[in-house]
Amino acid sequence: DVKVTQSSRYLVKRTGEKVFLECVQDMDHENMFWYRQDPGLGLRLIYFSYDVKMKEKGDIPEGYSVSREKKERFSLILESASTNQTSMYLCASSNNRAIAPNQPQHFGDGTRLSIL
Amino acid sequence: DQQVKQNSPSLSVQEGRISILNCDYTNSMFDYFLWYKKYPAEGPTFLISISSIKDKNEDGRFTVFLNKSAKHLSLHIVPSQPGDSAVYFCAASAIAGGTSYGKLTFGQGTILTVHP
Repeated sequence: DVKVTQSSRYLVKRTGEKVFLECVQDMDHENMFWYRQDPGLGLRLIYFSYDVKMKEKGDIPEGYSVSREKKERFSLILESASTNQTSMYLCASSNNRAIAPNQPQHFGDGTRLSIL
Repeated sequence: DQQVKQNSPSLSVQEGRISILNCDYTNSMFDYFLWYKKYPAEGPTFLISISSIKDKNEDGRFTVFLNKSAKHLSLHIVPSQPGDSAVYFCAASAIAGGTSYGKLTFGQGTILTVHP
C-alpha cells in the first residue's frame, strides 16, 4: 500500500513567519504534488515535482516555494505566511510516466494550517 | 477559469437507491478522468478512473460514464450505502504526449449524504 505521510495534522503559525510543510512517500514515486483545499474551490495545485531537484509551478504558486532534495521527500514553504494562506494542505505522489500514464495520485491525510 | 466543474455542491440520497454525481469539463485536451472520495480529516482516496477511449468503466457498485461530445462525466453508485457519505471530487488530466506527469485538475467537490 502506498503511504504518503504529512508531518503535521494541525499547525498554527503567525503572520510573517516562514512555514515548512513536509511530505514523505514510501513507494519510490517519481512525481509529488502540493495542493490546497478550500470550501467551494476544490483542490488547487500549488507546485509539483517530477524528479529530484525538479519543480514546476501549478495553478496558484504565489507566496509558496518547494524543495525536493530527496526522491521521497517534498517540502512546501510559505515564505512569509499570510492569513489568506489558512487552508488544508494536501500532498500527493504518483508514478506517471510516458510508458505508464494512467496512474492515480495517492494522497496524505492533510495538514490544516491556520495563520493568525 | 474553472476547467472542471461540479455544479451540485451537495446530494442527498436514501440508502439502497442510486447516487449520481456529475462533472463537466471545458478543456478538450483532457483524456483521463478520475473520481476521488474524501472523508473529513482524511486525504482523498482514489475510487475509479476512465480513459477517453472508453465511455464506461465499472468497479463493483461504482460506474463512471464519459460523454466526450458533451464534455461530461458522471459517477453512479448503486446501491448507495451510508458509508458512501463523503465528498466526491472529479479530476481530469491531459496525458497524451507523456509530459503532464499526471498533473490533475479537480472540480469543487460534491458532498454526498446517504440516509439510512
